[in-house]
Amino acid sequence: RKEVEQDPGPFNVPEGATVAFNCTYSNSASQSFFWYRQDCRKEPKLLMSVYSSGNEDGRFTAQLNRASQYISLLIRDSKLSDSATYLCVVNRQGGKLIFGQGTELSVKP
Amino acid sequence: ETGVTQTPRHLVMGMTNKKSLKCEQHLGHNAMYWYKQSAKKPLELMFVYNFKEQTENNSVPSRFSPECPNSSHLFLHLHTLQPEDSALYLCASSQVAGTPMGEQYFGPGTRLTVT
Repeated sequence: RKEVEQDPGPFNVPEGATVAFNCTYSNSASQSFFWYRQDCRKEPKLLMSVYSSGNEDGRFTAQLNRASQYISLLIRDSKLSDSATYLCVVNRQGGKLIFGQGTELSVKP
Repeated sequence: ETGVTQTPRHLVMGMTNKKSLKCEQHLGHNAMYWYKQSAKKPLELMFVYNFKEQTENNSVPSRFSPECPNSSHLFLHLHTLQPEDSALYLCASSQVAGTPMGEQYFGPGTRLTVT
């Protein structure tokens, strides 16, 4: 079983839609969590950090459920510019980042 | 953004060549990392340096040799690579390695093709 698992998608949604991505992790000692965004052939860019139960930044909301070892990312009012791959990242005990394979999002006009 | 820069951005090399990748961070961080990203695969951590000391080598073949002369610069020396080493090589930095609040910031990567 992979240490960090994501639905690879692709998720194809219309502009204005709300979309949610799920991520599960297997190491219960994981200490912090991140969502990164990666555009095609570009580097990952930090979108949100999640240290407690959740975090919200504008149209983006991340939630953490430690009991279920589950993290989610909700995007409201999707924009064309949100099209990218979203990486779930887990900071394992000791500070090593483990990356999921990413979920691809395509927002259509 | 110019927080983390990498050169070259693209590199084509033969299996007998020797080349080096360079990374520089301008964020005042103390930890630097090399990652490999192959097509359709998650990022794989290769090496970690914390305050210039290597703290992790993730079972990377010896044909990849890192060097960290100071906290702002990181190199990856390449020699006798294989075609399967073709990938995007990403450098990242963070304030300090090994802490829970470990946001990492990435450079644009070097796209390497081994022929």
